Amino acid sequence: QSVLTQPPSVSGAPGQRVTISCTGSSSNIGAGYDVHWYQQLPGTAPKLLIYAASNRPSGVPDRFSGSKSGTSASLAITGLQAEDEADYYCQSYDSRLSGYVFGTGTKVTVL
Amino acid sequence: EVQLVESGGGLVKPGGSLRLSCAASGFTFYYAWMNWVRQPPGKGLEWVGRIKAKADGATTDYAAPVKGRFAISRDDSKNTLYLQMNSLKTEDTAVYYCTTDDDDSGRALNVWGQGTMVTVSS
Repeated sequence: QSVLTQPPSVSGAPGQRVTISCTGSSSNIGAGYDVHWYQQLPGTAPKLLIYAASNRPSGVPDRFSGSKSGTSASLAITGLQAEDEADYYCQSYDSRLSGYVFGTGTKVTVL
Repeated sequence: EVQLVESGGGLVKPGGSLRLSCAASGFTFYYAWMNWVRQPPGKGLEWVGRIKAKADGATTDYAAPVKGRFAISRDDSKNTLYLQMNSLKTEDTAVYYCTTDDDDSGRALNVWGQGTMVTVSS
């Protein structure tokens, strides 16, 4: 049972902008813990996409951006490309559970 | 090249035990905090547990569903992480990934192995 809620799916045409929300609570995102985003392409292991809400690891295109406000965070993909079709997960730390927690996951479909 | 390679997965009966290994290379394993994350077939990611570096006490934390049944350990001389799984249940069926836990990136899980499949079935 995930404590971070994401929409099950989002879709967009190539070139469009899509956003994925991640809603938490006062024991995780709202408590100030960092939020990270992962991309999981079909049949592969997850890959770190955004760390500490808005930072991109080396090699991640600047089409991907993140933000955080209050008890929520969001991931935006601008200039959507076919290769962005994947599952995306947010992740944080939860003080009530004393451990890391993942979002429910969002499938991005490129129309 | 930073690399994590899991092994030890397989088919086990309910109530049985299994030990997974994760061989690390390309970074200073001694200082790394390490995690196990699992993903049941067709479902999302679930954090299993973490072990801190020896310098930080090598303490462990576990998710509620596995606490008391699973144990994470490390052998820094072999650059290897372990997950001992006991009293396995059908709901433990999943791909198990080992990951690093990086302080410079706010404790993001920045490197992942390819995963090893564990199937619990009679």
